[in-house]
Amino acid sequence: GQQVMQIPQYQHVQEGEDFTTYCNSSTTLSNIQWYKQRPGGHPVFLIQLVKSGEVKKQKRLTFQFGEAKKNSSLHITATQTTDVGTYFCAGRRGNFGNEKLTFGTGTRLTIIP
Amino acid sequence: GAGVSQSPRYKVAKRGQDVALRCDPISGHVSLFWYQQALGQGPEFLTYFQNEAQLDKSGLPSDRFFAERPEGSVSTLKIQRTQQEDSAVYLCASSLLGQGATGYTFGSGTRLTVV
Repeated sequence: GQQVMQIPQYQHVQEGEDFTTYCNSSTTLSNIQWYKQRPGGHPVFLIQLVKSGEVKKQKRLTFQFGEAKKNSSLHITATQTTDVGTYFCAGRRGNFGNEKLTFGTGTRLTIIP
Repeated sequence: GAGVSQSPRYKVAKRGQDVALRCDPISGHVSLFWYQQALGQGPEFLTYFQNEAQLDKSGLPSDRFFAERPEGSVSTLKIQRTQQEDSAVYLCASSLLGQGATGYTFGSGTRLTVV
């Protein structure tokens, strides 16, 4: 079945440093979404990417969808303590009427003040 | 309501006991999903409803798991004869059909502990 892997599994950075997580799917995706889950919380939607090669920015966060629509990345510039949490990518295949998202393994970000 | 509501927030069940987990989605959200999240893992898909129709139940781990959404709104996930490996957080999410640019809205989850 479809698998979505993320690397790294964990990332510890000094506050102010940059952070990047990479997402790779075993199959081509119709779109990819990113979620953030704070410790003890539930996943919260960040963004959706649909087009091949698409790049979107949200303040210090930059999201990219690969040309082959099988990989994606999230880059955070100048991390802050509020960025702590686990970041998940989630992909959807193009099957008609299939709304199901397959979540990645996640990257847990911790910040050293 | 303003968000996705799940109850109970925590559930401790003795092995072999049946449990029922409730999800109240955002009003007007056609799509409803159940996910299982083990500690330190990503959410794993269980099942998906569009209104009252269960369109995909490929993620249900065994026939002990059953989900329903009889009137296309509130959904219940039932687990019969619970086992220790069922211990996890069960997340419910809802979305507008086609998701658009808004993604899923998750509830706070039900943490199930089987002892």
